Amino acid sequence: DAEITQSPRHKITETGRQVTLACHQTWNHNNMFWYRQDLGHGLRLIHYSYGVQDTNKGEVSDGYSVSRSNTEDLPLTLESAASSQTSVYFCASSESEDPRRTQYFGPGTRLTVL
Amino acid sequence: AQKVTQAQTEISVVEKEDVTLDCVYETRDTTYYLFWYKQPPSGELVFLIRRNSFDEQNEISGRYSWNFQKSTSSFNFTITASQVVDSAVYFCALYEETSGSRLTFGEGTQLTVNP
Repeated sequence: DAEITQSPRHKITETGRQVTLACHQTWNHNNMFWYRQDLGHGLRLIHYSYGVQDTNKGEVSDGYSVSRSNTEDLPLTLESAASSQTSVYFCASSESEDPRRTQYFGPGTRLTVL
Repeated sequence: AQKVTQAQTEISVVEKEDVTLDCVYETRDTTYYLFWYKQPPSGELVFLIRRNSFDEQNEISGRYSWNFQKSTSSFNFTITASQVVDSAVYFCALYEETSGSRLTFGEGTQLTVNP
């Protein structure tokens, strides 16, 4: 079955380190998204991509970057991790450039920055 | 201003009770979509329903039903005869035509169904 996976599922890192969270989907979806989930804020969009070589900033993009070299993967990089980036991160994908298509979510990555 | 407001942070009911989760949204777009997602204790986000702004028909799926009212900008979700397995955080989300591809989520409602 097609799916969307994230790795690692849990990560502990130190302030200042570079961290990369992986997201891989096998639906061949063009659209991919990264969100963070924090208490009191719901889910907030970090970055998104409509296809290979396309990336866009979301609501809370500072301190994060993404690159899209193929359809299946959208890795999220924290250039210099900060304690404020401790959160649960969700990757999502949707079927076409029309984002009215439902977004399907990965299982999440819990990141702790000490 | 919050675009999606889920005023109920936590709700606790006893099994077999009916429960309604409220969602109020704010938009100037004439074309928009509303979503409900469920996040069970395992953490994944599960899509439940999508409704567009031109379709105000209520929808029922098993024990779940949704009441969309444009006049009050609300898209409420009712679970009939709740079960312990319904315990989860439920998120309402809004997609606006003018927002690019963004889904704006509410803060979520934690539903606990006690046996």
